[in-house]
Amino acid sequence: QKEVEQNSGPLSVPEGAIASLNCTYSDRGSQSFFWYRQYSGKSPELIMFIYSNGDKEDGRFTAQLNKASQYVSLLIRDSQPSDSATYLCAVTGFGDMRFGAGTRLTVKP
Amino acid sequence: SAVISQKPSRDICQRGTSLTIQCQVDSQVTMMFWYRQQPGQSLTLIATANQGSEATYESGFVIDKFPISRPNLTFSTLTVSNMSPEDSSIYLCSVDGGGVTEAFFGQGTRLTVV
Repeated sequence: QKEVEQNSGPLSVPEGAIASLNCTYSDRGSQSFFWYRQYSGKSPELIMFIYSNGDKEDGRFTAQLNKASQYVSLLIRDSQPSDSATYLCAVTGFGDMRFGAGTRLTVKP
Repeated sequence: SAVISQKPSRDICQRGTSLTIQCQVDSQVTMMFWYRQQPGQSLTLIATANQGSEATYESGFVIDKFPISRPNLTFSTLTVSNMSPEDSSIYLCSVDGGGVTEAFFGQGTRLTVV
C-alpha cells in the first residue's frame, strides 16, 4: 500500500466550478498535511497546510482533514484556468515529508 | 519563509560521469532534504541531510550513488555518481520551515543523461 494515495486524474472542470481533490494516507501517526501546486516544469509551491480535523479556508481554497478516516481533501471554488496544474498531497510524521503521485487538474474556459 | 538557490538549473551529462548539485539557503535550517522527480511522477525522497552527521538514505538509494555533503546549516550538495540514462530526472532540494511545517523547495535541477 502506498503511503499517500491520490487519484492521478486528469480531473477536468469548467471555469467557475468547484474542483475537489482527494488524498488518503496510511500512517495513523501522521501529523501535518499539505497541498502543493506544481506547474509543468516548475517546483512545487505550497497552497495550504492543515493540522487539525475539520476545515481550513484560505481564499478560494478549503482544506478538509479527517484523521479517523485518514483522508484529506482540497476544494477549489470558482476554478480558474490558471488553477490548471498538478496538485500534490503531502504528509509528515516525524521529520520527512511523503508525497502522493499528484492529481492533474484542468480548468476549461 | 526560506529562499533556496539551487544550481545548476539544468545539465546534460554523459553516462558514466558525475554531477554535483548545490543548494544554498538564506537562513540556517536543521534539516535539508533531497528529492527526485522522474518524468510524470511525484517526488521521491532520496535522503535527509543534517549538519554534522551522515545523511539518512531512503530505501533504494545508497551513499555510493548519491553522496551528500552538509558542511553547515545553510548549504548542501548532492552528487549523482556514475550516471546512466535512468538517472535523468529533476532533482530538488527542500528545507523544513522549522519544526513540522511546510517545506520550501529550490528551483530544481533538470538532469538529462545521454
